[in-house]
Amino acid sequence: QVQLVQSGAEVKKPGASVKVSCKASGYTFMSYGISWVRQAPGRGLEWMGWISGYNGNTNYVQSLQGRVILTTDTSTNTAYMELRSLTFDDTAVYFCARDYYNIDYWGQGTLVTVS
Amino acid sequence: DIQMTQSPSTLSASVGDRVTITCRASQSISGWLAWYQQKPGKAPKLLIYKTSTLESGVPSRFSGSGSGTEFTLAISSLQPDDFATYYCQHYYSSSRTFGQGTKVEIK
Repeated sequence: QVQLVQSGAEVKKPGASVKVSCKASGYTFMSYGISWVRQAPGRGLEWMGWISGYNGNTNYVQSLQGRVILTTDTSTNTAYMELRSLTFDDTAVYFCARDYYNIDYWGQGTLVTVS
Repeated sequence: DIQMTQSPSTLSASVGDRVTITCRASQSISGWLAWYQQKPGKAPKLLIYKTSTLESGVPSRFSGSGSGTEFTLAISSLQPDDFATYYCQHYYSSSRTFGQGTKVEIK
């Protein structure tokens, strides 16, 4: 069965960076992309960007351009999301999700607290 | 970026009611629209994709319709398990945007 397992919760100081991992299993990693979505406490879903599992092409939401970097490691079927120059507003649960046109499977979420 | 506007933000309804949620896109998205259900502390769950295609395992009381820039999610007879927050999302071209969400509450 398709599974996306994310790394554990993080606490960071303002100005620091965070890197969250997302290990995929149960499907052919290179046949799908991975989207990253975040959700601040009590708020809605915000799409951050997408990376191709095939060739690493990326597309980022304009508001995070220059601060977010998405990468993959096809040898371990793992996707990574790095967010730099953290502010208090970046406190959120970060989700990875399998994305082939629509998003169908989601990771369990990783809480990143900036404090 | 394409903007997605959902209405209403909150909806109070009773078990057995028919409810509808509307999602408007700032430009045509050619039917590339999905709907998700999210419960507190959980990841979203895909309900419908390509405007009206029901994801496997999703009850048939959920349905989607629309075209161009206006789309609707309908629940024909609200069940206790359906009280949750619902989001629309476009996947037109290489970007995605979610609507701001509609919370369906018990009346």
